Amino acid sequence: AQSVTQLGSHVSVSEGALVLLRCNYSSSVPPYLFWYVQYPNQGLQLLLKYTTGATLVKGINGFEAEFKKSETSFHLTKPSAHMSDAAEYFCAVSGFSGGYNKLIFGAGTRLAVHP
Amino acid sequence: DGGITQSPKYLFRKEGQNVTLSCEQNLNHDAMYWYRQDPGQGLRLIYYSQIVNDFQKGDIAEGYSVSREKKESFPLTVTSAQKNPTAFYLCASSTTDRVDGYTFGSGTRLTVV
Repeated sequence: AQSVTQLGSHVSVSEGALVLLRCNYSSSVPPYLFWYVQYPNQGLQLLLKYTTGATLVKGINGFEAEFKKSETSFHLTKPSAHMSDAAEYFCAVSGFSGGYNKLIFGAGTRLAVHP
Repeated sequence: DGGITQSPKYLFRKEGQNVTLSCEQNLNHDAMYWYRQDPGQGLRLIYYSQIVNDFQKGDIAEGYSVSREKKESFPLTVTSAQKNPTAFYLCASSTTDRVDGYTFGSGTRLTVV
């Protein structure tokens, strides 16, 4: 079975500061991991994903995430926050359930960026 | 460009009324999904379909119904049996390969008036 835990439902940073959003997962099979971003009243947009290969994954808008198998983590980072990064972020792990492509989402982390 | 279209963007329902939310995709994806989103509760799966003319209940299917008559379309009906339908509804689609993740529509906000 798979599960995802996002530590911190709300994170607040100053503009220009490091963004760190935490995600831990459990998976009985090699995990495929995803980060999505959701702006108010919009759908989810894929930021980045890890499938196989390089453990440091770069995504859109300057975000990156590192897959650490030993820590079962896939934390999302950005060196310098911008006001436009304010949104809700969801970590997800992919598995199979009853033969279908099942994506298990964390509860989400709302990122606030203040001047 | 390929994508998923949800309509309408905003929908108002009177008590006791059924309403249908539209979801259309031109990505040639086999699987489609409906989620409900409430503040502070993340995403909850309502129904999913892996193939035309087949669908399964998710975690919160009571008060909802779906159909999958075409590969491109997966409409969701919110029935009068759904006691608290006010929420943001998201449709998604995917291939059968778990490496691809899901593609989401822009959502429909349903409000009971």
